[in-house]
Amino acid sequence: EAQVTQNPRYLITVTGKKLTVTCSQNMNHEYMSWYRQDPGLGLRQIYYSMNVEVTDKGDVPEGYKVSRKEKRNFPLILESPSPNQTSLYFCASSPGASNTQYFGPGTRLTVL
Amino acid sequence: AQKVTQAQTEISVVEKEDVTLDCVYETRDTTYYLFWYKQPPSGELVFLIRRNSFDEQNEISGRYSWNFQKSTSSFNFTITASQVVDSAVYFCALSTNYGGATNKLIFGTGTLLAVQP
Repeated sequence: EAQVTQNPRYLITVTGKKLTVTCSQNMNHEYMSWYRQDPGLGLRQIYYSMNVEVTDKGDVPEGYKVSRKEKRNFPLILESPSPNQTSLYFCASSPGASNTQYFGPGTRLTVL
Repeated sequence: AQKVTQAQTEISVVEKEDVTLDCVYETRDTTYYLFWYKQPPSGELVFLIRRNSFDEQNEISGRYSWNFQKSTSSFNFTITASQVVDSAVYFCALSTNYGGATNKLIFGTGTLLAVQP
């Protein structure tokens, strides 16, 4: 089944404790992105990747890192999480820019 | 500026009513793509439709239909004979190549649709 998976689905952590949210897709898509969803703001792009070893910032990259060492994986790293990073995070993949993006199930992160 | 406006924050209807969700977009690009996604209470984002700026034909898929009007920069979504399972947040989104191939979807703030039995 074609899908985007994310882990964990729920995470509660404390300020400053490094964490990684994994994302994997099995559709051989070139593009992958991370978004965060906040009430009243819709979804905003954090980072995107056009291919292996090619990543760039989206609209809200501060406090986040990403890497794309393999085509299928695109982890999101929070080196020192803060409470304002409490949000619902989505990973997405698409075969090309402006193609349909398919989203993972979401990761609900709470930073205390 | 690239922007998507969904002015309706919440809509409540009774089952079997028709409902239209509004979406107005702004872009200076001549080539762009418009999307609708559904987010049910379970939280995932479900793709519904993608439209490119050169195709103004309306589309119908079962009880769903979409009306794309470039003259008013709108891409409205109508659900006919609504059902309780249609209850969800619906997002309209825009994609352009402004600033390069960023693959960025610009989302509206969403419309919460509640269908009462």
